[in-house]
Amino acid sequence: AQSVTQLGSHVSVSEGALVLLRCNYSSSVPPYLFWYVQYPNQGLQLLLKYTSAATLVKGINGFEAEFKKSETSFHLTKPSAHMSDAAEYFCAVSDSQTGNQFYFGTGTSLTVIP
Amino acid sequence: DAGVTQSPTHLIKTRGQQVTLRCSPISGHKSVSWYQQVLGQGPQFIFQYYEKEERGRGNFPDRFSARQFPNYSSELNVNALLLGDSALYLCASSWDVGLAYEQYFGPGTRLTVT
Repeated sequence: AQSVTQLGSHVSVSEGALVLLRCNYSSSVPPYLFWYVQYPNQGLQLLLKYTSAATLVKGINGFEAEFKKSETSFHLTKPSAHMSDAAEYFCAVSDSQTGNQFYFGTGTSLTVIP
Repeated sequence: DAGVTQSPTHLIKTRGQQVTLRCSPISGHKSVSWYQQVLGQGPQFIFQYYEKEERGRGNFPDRFSARQFPNYSSELNVNALLLGDSALYLCASSWDVGLAYEQYFGPGTRLTVT
C-alpha cells in the first residue's frame, strides 16, 4: 500500500528565504511522486512530478524537488520565497499498482512573512 | 479549452439527505476520479472511472456511489448524509488511467451537512 507523510503541518519563512517542505513516501513498487499547491477556495494545481527519469525535478514558479530512494523522500524546495507562495502544499504518490489514483499527504500550510 | 468543471460550487444539506455532485472532464479525457478533502486534511481517493467502468474504489462506505456517462461526465452520489461528509469534493480528469497520465483537478464542490 502507498502512503505519504508530510512533516510539519505549518511552515513559516521570511520573504526571500529558502522554502523547504518535507515529504516521505511508502510504496512497495517504484513510485511516481507529485507536489500540488492549493490556494484558498481553489482546486489543486500541479507544481511538479517525478516519473522515474531525472531525480532532480524542476517545476513551475521556481520550485524543485529531489527524489532520494535511499531516504524515501521527495522534499520540495525554492531558493527564495515570495509572498505569492503562501498556500497549502500537498505531496502525492501513485505507482504501477494503482495507476494514476493518487494518495495524498495531509498537507503543509506555508506562510511567508514580509 | 475549458478545464474540469464541477457543479454546484457550494451545497448545504441536512443529515440523512442525499446529494448528487457533477463533474465535466476536460474535452477528450476519458477518466474521472473523485476525491474527498476534509478541512485541514489532504484529498482522499474515493472512485476512479474510465470508459464508464469503475477502475478503483477507495475506503469509503457504500453510501458513496458514482457513475460515468457516455460523454465521460460523472456524478458522485452520497446517501444518508452524515455530518462527517462535510468536505470539499474534488473531481480530476485524465486522458487515461495509466501511471504517466497527468490528472487535472476541478475547483471542487463544497458540501456542508448540518
